[in-house]
Amino acid sequence: GDSVTQMEGPVTLSEEAFLTINCTYTATGYPSLFWYVQYPGEGLQLLLKATKADDKGSNKGFEATYRKETTSFHLEKGSVQVSDSAVYFCALSMNTGGFKTIFGAGTRLFVKA
Amino acid sequence: KAGVTQTPRYLIKTRGQQVTLSCSPISGHRSVSWYQQTPGQGLQFLFEYFSETQRNKGNFPGRFSGRQFSNSRSEMNVSTLELGDSALYLCASSPLTSGGIQETQYFGPGTRLLVL
Repeated sequence: GDSVTQMEGPVTLSEEAFLTINCTYTATGYPSLFWYVQYPGEGLQLLLKATKADDKGSNKGFEATYRKETTSFHLEKGSVQVSDSAVYFCALSMNTGGFKTIFGAGTRLFVKA
Repeated sequence: KAGVTQTPRYLIKTRGQQVTLSCSPISGHRSVSWYQQTPGQGLQFLFEYFSETQRNKGNFPGRFSGRQFSNSRSEMNVSTLELGDSALYLCASSPLTSGGIQETQYFGPGTRLLVL
């Protein structure tokens, strides 16, 4: 079945370090891909998305490119801040007559000052 | 616009009871999805509703059911509660797109259910 695999956390970085959170997926069709973020004490919210191959989603300095050939959607940020500390979820969404979204397990990021 | 609201926010039940959770989507959003979030299993898709019809369902037993009303508000019901049903239940709404691509889902704060 469809699935999303993302790197296990927690990931601990110093401020201004480079961030990569790996995400790979398995899907029978052509899904849309998403990164959602859950800040401490807050609800889940969209960070960025890409709906077709080679699309790049970007927001708040984060980027991810939809790579169909490697079935990946890795999240990157050039310089993290303490305020980026959160749990990041990679997700795919399929339209199979209705929408079904599959989430990865989540990766907790800690950024130290 | 008001966000997705879920009621109640917290709930304590005992095994064998049933529970009904409510979700009000963002005005104009007709797709509503439900998820169960637990530390062990993460975020798992329960079902998706659109125009009062369940269009998709995850791998949960029949004790989990839902419905959507004509105003797009949705409820989910869990009957014969088990200890393992303790979780955060999230509702998300999404606007309709003409291209068949799911737009962003907007999540509510969730209902935290504890089964004793």
